[in-house]
This record gives sequence, C-alpha cells and structure tokens, in this order.
Amino acid sequence: AQKITQTQPGMFVQEKEAVTLDCTYDTSDQSYGLFWYKQPSSGEMIFLIYQGSYDEQNATEGRYSLNFQKARKSANLVISASQLGDSAMYFCAMREGRAGGSYIPTFGRGTSLIVHP
Amino acid sequence: DGGITQSPKYLFRKEGQNVTLSCEQNLNHDAMYWYRQDPGQGLRLIYYSQIVNDFQKGDIAEGYSVSREKKESFPLTVTSAQKNPTAFYLCASSINGINQPQHFGDGTRLSIL
Repeated sequence: AQKITQTQPGMFVQEKEAVTLDCTYDTSDQSYGLFWYKQPSSGEMIFLIYQGSYDEQNATEGRYSLNFQKARKSANLVISASQLGDSAMYFCAMREGRAGGSYIPTFGRGTSLIVHP
Repeated sequence: DGGITQSPKYLFRKEGQNVTLSCEQNLNHDAMYWYRQDPGQGLRLIYYSQIVNDFQKGDIAEGYSVSREKKESFPLTVTSAQKNPTAFYLCASSINGINQPQHFGDGTRLSIL
C-alpha cells in the first residue's frame, strides 16, 4: 500500500487565485513529519513547508500553508495568490521513525500544477 | 554558500559500461540519499547513508553501488547490471530527524547511447 497518495496528477489554476494540492498519508506511528517540495522543470527539488504530527497549528510559509487534518490523515498544500512561477511538480513526503534510528522519507507521485495568466 | 553539487548534469552510458555520478555536500549533514526519478513518477530510493562508512539499500538498489568514505561525498555507480538506467538521478542530504527537510542537488540525467 502506498504511504503517500497524491490523487491529482495535474491541476490548473488562474494566476492570483488560490489552489489546493491534495495529500493523504498512511502511518501507524504517532510521531512523523510531513513535507512538501516543489520541482520546477529544471529538475531541482525545493523544500517548501513542514508539518509535525504533534503540531496543533497548521504550518504557514509565506504564500504556502499546510491544511493538516490528522484524523483524516491528510496534509494538503494551499498556495494562495498563484504566480506563473508556481508552475511545477509538487511532491508530498513523510518521515517516520524506522528501526535503527533512521528517518527515510517516502514521497508521493506528485501533482503537476500549471498556472495560467 | 552551502549546498549539494551533483555532476555531471548530463551523462551518457554505453552498453556494458559502468558510470559514476558524483554528489558532494558542504552542509555538514550526516545523512545522504540517492533517488531515481522516471517520467511521471515520484522519487524512488536507491541507497542511503546515515554516517560515514555505512550505507543501506533502498527500494531499488539492484544494479547500483555506492560508497561513503567521506562525510561530504556519496558517489553512485550505475553498473552494467542495471538494464534500464535511463532516468533522472537526484542526490539529497539532511540532518537525520523526523522534522528535518532534505536538501537536493540539481540532478544528473543519464541516458543510454
């Protein structure tokens, strides 16, 4: 079973509008971390935002916010006031504790976001 | 500036040839990772290392090998046993912890001649 599920292969949004990218996760751990990364067409992965499983407030970083619903095991990324430069692939990832003290991230398949002028 | 450097940006492999992808970081991170990315796919873990002189297989290690002789360096060798090596390869590093993001290099695109 997939640990991270991103159900939207592609999304389109008008410039200056908000968009939500979905992410659900599967874990039996109580302690875990959730991350979102952006991958422009050039290929590099850029860290956007982090949410800890014990954080009571939703994380925010500038125009990015994470809508964390723990009971539903969802961690959706909200981008407000979309810009043309937001066009990219977006990946959701999770880190759990593993045997031996490792915290290997698991990635979803990604969502392609296209921002229209 | 601290960061991760991957080289080369593009690499071509002939049949039966081993090739090595370089990954160097100056972030003083203990953990380093190699991922493979195919079109329309997420990142699949090849190998990871949490400390110098130690590394572990990821989900798709067959046909690949690594070494971690220095904290800063984690080269990946794509051997001739890897029958479908054409892909985008990303190297990452991080502090080892649940709340620590990974820092990525710019990637190497490997193709078969």
